[in-house]
Amino acid sequence: QSVLTQPPSASGTPGQRVTISCSGSSSNIGSNYVYWYQQLPGTAPKLLIYRNNQRPSGVPDRFSGSKSGTSASLAISGLRSEDEADYYCAAWDDSLSKVFGTGTKVTVL
Amino acid sequence: EVQLVESGGGLVQPGGSLRLSCAASGFTFSNYEMNWVRQAPGKGLEWVSYISSSGSAIYYADSVKGRFTISRDNAKNSLYLQMNSLRAEDTAVYYCASYYYGSGRCFDYWGQGTLVTVSS
Repeated sequence: QSVLTQPPSASGTPGQRVTISCSGSSSNIGSNYVYWYQQLPGTAPKLLIYRNNQRPSGVPDRFSGSKSGTSASLAISGLRSEDEADYYCAAWDDSLSKVFGTGTKVTVL
Repeated sequence: EVQLVESGGGLVQPGGSLRLSCAASGFTFSNYEMNWVRQAPGKGLEWVSYISSSGSAIYYADSVKGRFTISRDNAKNSLYLQMNSLRAEDTAVYYCASYYYGSGRCFDYWGQGTLVTVSS
């Protein structure tokens, strides 16, 4: 089963905008919804974005998602120290498996 | 308060078996799709298995197909993962995760995880 490709790291100073990319294929991102998760150190993942660009209740609007073709991206605007975490994209594949991205560690400088 | 509490993890020898449980409370468990997701030490997330809200649809990752069995008991608000023929590469924290989408809203809850260590 395939894995979605993310950059291993991203960083920014407080207040900056950081973007994380997620590259897949026609069988996953290209034909299914994209989800984004945030995993703070030592904790379980938390859903940030569902159905490409929707935020669950309680997720700040500083987080936004988009999708184009077989790629997706997560943007964090107004970066804050508490955003320092690992971020994962995910999507269902047409083979009836869920695939996660390789993960991106965001550092707030 | 919404809670998902995993149990059943521990140390097991290669080739052995374990049964993980996930007890749900604070939400209508029978409405939610459930997944098991694992994370090897220092590594990323890996999806393991899915079961629909009624239990009628079940999917597995290729890496566990034929060895792991997912099930649920909606009357007991519980999710299970029977793991057989365990291998060293199955060592990970196992999370149960719930998902519901309806009426334009989404709810997604995760447990705190239970550690499975496969080693002799």
